[in-house]
Amino acid sequence: NAGVTQTPKFRVLKTGQSMTLLCAQDMNHEYMYWYRQDPGMGLRLIHYSVGEGTTAKGEVPDGYNVSRLKKQNFLLGLESAAPSQTSVYFCASSQGRQGNYGYTFGSGTRLTVV
Amino acid sequence: GNSVTQMEGPVTLSEEAFLTINCTYTATGYPSLFWYVQYPGEGLQLLLKATKADDKGSNKGFEATYRKETTSFHLEKGSVQVSDSAVYFCALSDLGGSQGNLIFGKGTKLSVKP
Repeated sequence: NAGVTQTPKFRVLKTGQSMTLLCAQDMNHEYMYWYRQDPGMGLRLIHYSVGEGTTAKGEVPDGYNVSRLKKQNFLLGLESAAPSQTSVYFCASSQGRQGNYGYTFGSGTRLTVV
Repeated sequence: GNSVTQMEGPVTLSEEAFLTINCTYTATGYPSLFWYVQYPGEGLQLLLKATKADDKGSNKGFEATYRKETTSFHLEKGSVQVSDSAVYFCALSDLGGSQGNLIFGKGTKLSVKP
């Protein structure tokens, strides 16, 4: 019963490097989300997707790109990492609009940019 | 816009003490309300939810009642255990957003001492 799986779990990048965070869910959920969690800031939405082939910007999208080529996967890319992107990144999925459903979260990716 | 405000922590209690974590919200319409819990090193897990006014969500001894008149959704537990030590997040469904994503409070860290 995997749920939502994030890879990698930890990563250290140098400023200017690029990387892709992978989120995979096996629950056939339509909606997927990327959040970042920072001390004192709670969770902030970066990008989200309401279905295969769709993506949309959230609250803090700058410096990130996403893709949803397959329903089960939602990729978060950093093209040129900056120290301000040091954070813990969480992926979540949902069956649909939040009126009746909760999110299922992954266990997170801790990213440090030096 | 919609927002969630929860009491700042950390909250430190002795085992078997009564717990209240306050959460108030600002929203248009009638959002669903959620409490999530994050144990150290893990992702967020849905603890309980309420989808309409006067609903009471409950799980694992925790309870919260959706109070429309006071725009509140306070989390309570009658007798906390050391294993309840975690960060607790209040959230609402952003019905004003294009796809109803969740808006989270900043989290309240709870430490329970034996």
